[in-house]
Amino acid sequence: QKEVEQDPGPLSVPEGAIVSLNCTYSNSAFQYFMWYRQYSRKGPELLMYTYSSGNKEDGRFTAQVDKSSKYISLFIRDSQPSDSATYLCAMWATSGTYKYIFGTGTRLKVLA
Amino acid sequence: GAGVSQSPRYKVAKRGQDVALRCDPISGHVSLFWYQQALGQGPEFLTYFQNEAQLDKSGLPSDRFFAERPEGSVSTLKIQRTQQEDSAVYLCASSLEGNYGYTFGSGTRLTVV
Repeated sequence: QKEVEQDPGPLSVPEGAIVSLNCTYSNSAFQYFMWYRQYSRKGPELLMYTYSSGNKEDGRFTAQVDKSSKYISLFIRDSQPSDSATYLCAMWATSGTYKYIFGTGTRLKVLA
Repeated sequence: GAGVSQSPRYKVAKRGQDVALRCDPISGHVSLFWYQQALGQGPEFLTYFQNEAQLDKSGLPSDRFFAERPEGSVSTLKIQRTQQEDSAVYLCASSLEGNYGYTFGSGTRLTVV
């Protein structure tokens, strides 16, 4: 079993829909949780990071972390065709390492 | 520079050839990382530098992989005697020390034929 599990999709939604992307993890030492967006043939781009449990909002994006359930989510409101990309979750344990553990990524397609 | 720059963008190597992949991090970024991303997978950690010191190389898959950052800025990832399983996108990322959230380059897509 991988440390971080993420449904690969693809996920297709109509423009304007609310999108929910999720990851589960097994390592309770993870403290920082990141969401990256990756367009085709580009490097991952940091969207949000959160520390420990709770919510964080940035524009149309909301990140949620539930450490008790080892479950994180990214919500995208009013989705746009330009949001079509692969979304990667990443996690960091902080203890003596700067290494991130990534999920496999979820492919999202927002239909106009 | 404004972002992390990687070169070449694409590299085709015959099996057994040696390759060198270059990374120019964002100016002033102390930390530099190399990741490997296979098709349809998330990035997997290879190695980490803080300035010129290689502090973690636990992800390098074999002794054919070697990375250096001699002056604490530009880094090179070298793969000797390339094999087909080395085909992947090699991503470089940098960050300020203590900053949370790397900035990635666009990667080098290596194809071994």
